[in-house]
Amino acid sequence: DIQMTQSPSSLSASVGDRVTMTCRASQSISSYLNWYQQKPGKAPTLLIYAASILQTGVPSRFSASGAGTDFTLIISGLQPEDVATYYCQQTSRSLPYTFGQGTKVEIK
Amino acid sequence: QVQLQQWGAGLVKPSETLSLTCAVYGGSLSRYLWTWIRQSPGKGLEWIGEINLGGSTKYNPSLKSRLTLSIDTSKNQFSLNLTSVTAADTAVYYCARGLQTVGASPWGPGTLVTVSS
Repeated sequence: DIQMTQSPSSLSASVGDRVTMTCRASQSISSYLNWYQQKPGKAPTLLIYAASILQTGVPSRFSASGAGTDFTLIISGLQPEDVATYYCQQTSRSLPYTFGQGTKVEIK
Repeated sequence: QVQLQQWGAGLVKPSETLSLTCAVYGGSLSRYLWTWIRQSPGKGLEWIGEINLGGSTKYNPSLKSRLTLSIDTSKNQFSLNLTSVTAADTAVYYCARGLQTVGASPWGPGTLVTVSS
């Protein structure tokens, strides 16, 4: 299985801060990388697909980049409603599709 | 706007079969893959498998021997059967719409399934 490693596992930042989190794949996955946001008690929602394409309706303060094995999700200007856990998922040709363990974002 | 609603038994005895169904409202089953994902405290998010309109499936190899996904186009529904369950199968199970290249969206609300006698 392709292992997805997210860092940090948690972070605390102030409203308005730029927040960066990373996801690393154990082997190249090209751009088959999705990012999800999960708020407590809710199902995950898709933020980014194909490594850098913003899902319709997602605020533009979210952006992402990367290819191969290293990927980044950035929140430019953290808002209180962004408190959540963020997961990356690879959907390359290699089954099973796997998720990272998540980055929990809190407000300082 | 596509919405998914899911249902199934919330308590299953060890060695029995876990069965869940997901209904698709506001959209067709065509053009997409229909996915099951589960989430447990110990293992995080785990992709279970996916099925397309024609019934072609991809399964997580770790579950393949116990897993059957099916689709009912007449009802706009798809289903999951997982046999010989153990406590390790206790999780919140989600259904979702997706394609390999565009991620999974939307997701159903989730069903907590507990395996216990």
